[in-house]
Amino acid sequence: AQSVTQLGSHVSVSEGALVLLRCNYSSSVPPYLFWYVQYPNQGLQLLLKYTSAATLVKGINGFEAEFKKSETSFHLTKPSAHMSDAAEYFCAVTNQETSYDKVIFGPGTSLSVIP
Amino acid sequence: DGGITQSPKYLFRKEGQNVTLSCEQNLNHDAMYWYRQDPGQGLRLIYYSQIVNDFQKGDIAEGYSVSREKKESFPLTVTSAQKNPTAFYLCASSIEGKQYFGPGTRLTVT
Repeated sequence: AQSVTQLGSHVSVSEGALVLLRCNYSSSVPPYLFWYVQYPNQGLQLLLKYTSAATLVKGINGFEAEFKKSETSFHLTKPSAHMSDAAEYFCAVTNQETSYDKVIFGPGTSLSVIP
Repeated sequence: DGGITQSPKYLFRKEGQNVTLSCEQNLNHDAMYWYRQDPGQGLRLIYYSQIVNDFQKGDIAEGYSVSREKKESFPLTVTSAQKNPTAFYLCASSIEGKQYFGPGTRLTVT
């Protein structure tokens, strides 16, 4: 079985500060890992995807995430927060071998950016 | 433009009525999904379909029904048996594990 945990349901950072959103996963098979962003009253948009090609994955809007197998982590970072980054962020995992199957989403982290 | 459309954006119904939420995609994806999202919570899977004429229950299928007669369409019916239907409903399709989401339908039942 696969699962995802996101430490911190709410994170606040100052504009220009480092953004760090934590994600830990559990999977008995090679995983695909994802980060999605959701703005209020909208669907989710894909930020980035890990597929085992490289452990450091760069995404849109200046975000990146590093896959650490030994720590079963896939934390999302951005060097300098912008006001437009305020949103809900979801980490997700699926089975790499049957990627058409269910995707497991974490509970989400709400990011606030303080001017 | 390719993508997923959901209609309507907002839907209001009286308690005891069935209501059908539309989801259409022109991405040519085989897999489609329905999720429910409640305030401050993550996504919970209602139903998913890997191919036409086949679908599986997700984690919270009770009170919901779906059909998949065409590759492009995956409508969700919220029946009167659903105890607490007021929520934000998201449809998605996927390829290689990557999910593409529609804009969502906010259903309010009073």
